[in-house]
Amino acid sequence: AQSVTQLGSHVSVSEGALVLLRCNYSSSVPPYLFWYVQYPNQGLQLLLKYTSAATLVKGINGFEAEFKKSETSFHLTKPSAHMSDAAEYFCAVSDPGNKLVFGAGTILRVKS
Amino acid sequence: KAGVTQTPRYLIKTRGQQVTLSCSPISGHRSVSWYQQTPGQGLQFLFEYFSETQRNKGNFPGRFSGRQFSNSRSEMNVSTLELGDSALYLCASSTGLAGANEQFFGPGTRLTVL
Repeated sequence: AQSVTQLGSHVSVSEGALVLLRCNYSSSVPPYLFWYVQYPNQGLQLLLKYTSAATLVKGINGFEAEFKKSETSFHLTKPSAHMSDAAEYFCAVSDPGNKLVFGAGTILRVKS
Repeated sequence: KAGVTQTPRYLIKTRGQQVTLSCSPISGHRSVSWYQQTPGQGLQFLFEYFSETQRNKGNFPGRFSGRQFSNSRSEMNVSTLELGDSALYLCASSTGLAGANEQFFGPGTRLTVL
């Protein structure tokens, strides 16, 4: 079965610093990969999606992620953190049956 | 376009009762998925419906069931509620199957079981 590991349940960065949220997946074939963000008391919102068209995927709000097959990773980055980026971020992978499997989530804190 | 709506937003039930949650997808979306979110287990997939047919099911007991109507609206039902069923239940809709398409999430229904 597919699984997703997000390293670090909490990440803290200063405003203006690089954001790096780590995601590793288990898959024998290139899957669909997603990053979602959840703000307090809201549902999830798609940040970006990998579908094998390009290894570097650009998303909304300045986020991007790079698919590295050799490392089975799909880390999320943003060059400069903003206070409004504080939220919980989820990496997800679809399994061959098209079910979406989510990671445990990483709470991003942005310090002023 | 209106987003995904879920009703009710908050619900308090007691053990042994049953509950029905409702989800209205974005117009034109044919897939509706349900997830349970808890601090301990995170986001767990319950089931997905596409054109009124259950396409996928997660590892939940039979007390959890769902259905989808011809207008794509969906309901999920939990019977014989247990304390551990307290969670945020999220509904998401997409144009195609959830695993390959962007899902649009509703704000969730917060269920508390006493």
